[in-house]
Amino acid sequence: NAGVTQTPKFRVLKTGQSMTLLCAQDMNHEYMYWYRQDPGMGLRLIHYSVGEGTTAKGEVPDGYNVSRLKKQNFLLGLESAAPSQTSVYFCASSLGGNSYEQYFGPGTRLTVT
Amino acid sequence: GENVEQHPSTLSVQEGDSAVIKCTYSDSASNYFPWYKQELGKGPQLIIDIRSNVGEKKDQRIAVTLNKTAKHFSLHITETQPEDSAVYFCAASSTVFSGGYNKLIFGAGTRLAVHP
Repeated sequence: NAGVTQTPKFRVLKTGQSMTLLCAQDMNHEYMYWYRQDPGMGLRLIHYSVGEGTTAKGEVPDGYNVSRLKKQNFLLGLESAAPSQTSVYFCASSLGGNSYEQYFGPGTRLTVT
Repeated sequence: GENVEQHPSTLSVQEGDSAVIKCTYSDSASNYFPWYKQELGKGPQLIIDIRSNVGEKKDQRIAVTLNKTAKHFSLHITETQPEDSAVYFCAASSTVFSGGYNKLIFGAGTRLAVHP
């Protein structure tokens, strides 16, 4: 099993550009999450999904959109990137139900200039 | 709102010593408390977790204790080794809705350095 994978690993955008981050998991997990990690602030939840076709807002959703068209994939979109979105983005997944353990991908480092 | 505070932010120990990281949480409904280890350039990795119906859990050199009354929990690492050097995050969960989803609120992290 590859677990949780993320593409790309690194990306540099100019202000106003758009991009999509892809997360894939092969563990048949129901729940998937997108976090951002900034120095001294831990991980903050952007959006999450509790199943194929569902999405919901987390703590810091502004400026991001997500889609979960297939159970194994969770996409994070930035329509018009801003320097404040410079961060490391992590995707995670969990089985759901009474299983709370979240498993993280390796991260995507995004810089917006 | 929900909050998790983690201390210390940095911790330096000699190889073989013990390390203790402490977290406090604000949501009395929290029922799941995981600890993650993050090595440089990698994603967080779950190392141990505890549920609210248990006071202590141990796995080889690491242990976690939970005090629900005081709303704090701690990670204990004994006989530290250089490979324990990493950033450690605590988290606390709470149920967002009846669908069973548990949102994780993370602490800010502790950078542990183990010196040979």
